[in-house]
Amino acid sequence: EAEVAQSPRYKITEKSQAVAFWCDPISGHATLYWYRQILGQGPELLVQFQDESVVDDSQLPKDRFSAERLKGVDSTLKIQPAELGDSAMYLCASSSLGDTQYFGPGTRLTVL
Amino acid sequence: QQQVKQSPQSLIVQKGGISIINCAYENTAFDYFPWYQQFPGKGPALLIAIRPDVSEKKEGRFTISFNKSAKQFSLHIMDSQPGDSATYFCAASLARSRLTFGEGTQLTVNP
Repeated sequence: EAEVAQSPRYKITEKSQAVAFWCDPISGHATLYWYRQILGQGPELLVQFQDESVVDDSQLPKDRFSAERLKGVDSTLKIQPAELGDSAMYLCASSSLGDTQYFGPGTRLTVL
Repeated sequence: QQQVKQSPQSLIVQKGGISIINCAYENTAFDYFPWYQQFPGKGPALLIAIRPDVSEKKEGRFTISFNKSAKQFSLHIMDSQPGDSATYFCAASLARSRLTFGEGTQLTVNP
């Protein structure tokens, strides 16, 4: 069964450092999402891509967060500089033509 | 603005019992309502989903009941098992856009 891949699974960094997360969606899925999940809460969308284009980044803190999906396949989410409040699980999801979003295992970020 | 409210926050049931989790939404334009199951340290996994033109959908031990006029939907887990112990999230979306999630329900099924 095809799955969404994410790496790294865990990341510990100090505040003010830069971090990057990578996501490889299910093959053929044109839509890719990045969500942030704070412990004890539901995921919240950061950015949505359709192929290589951003279609929704209204909740992305653009002063420190950036995301790209250059060839419309895999994607990178970057935080620079990281802050203590960025500690969370960062989830990538993908979908095809339907509504179903398939989530990856996530990257657990801890900012010290 | 919290557009999807979920209750209860936590739920304890005995093995073989029925688990019921409720959600209420505000945006009447939502057209897709999934439930996700999440185990600690894992990503959410789709359990079952429904559209507003259907009042009930059943898949195995899992049933969604949908009340469009009340803007509410619920998940029923029949014959609950210890392996069902996880956090459950309801969600809603419009036209394949972002999922808006509820706050989550931590379910514990005692043996």
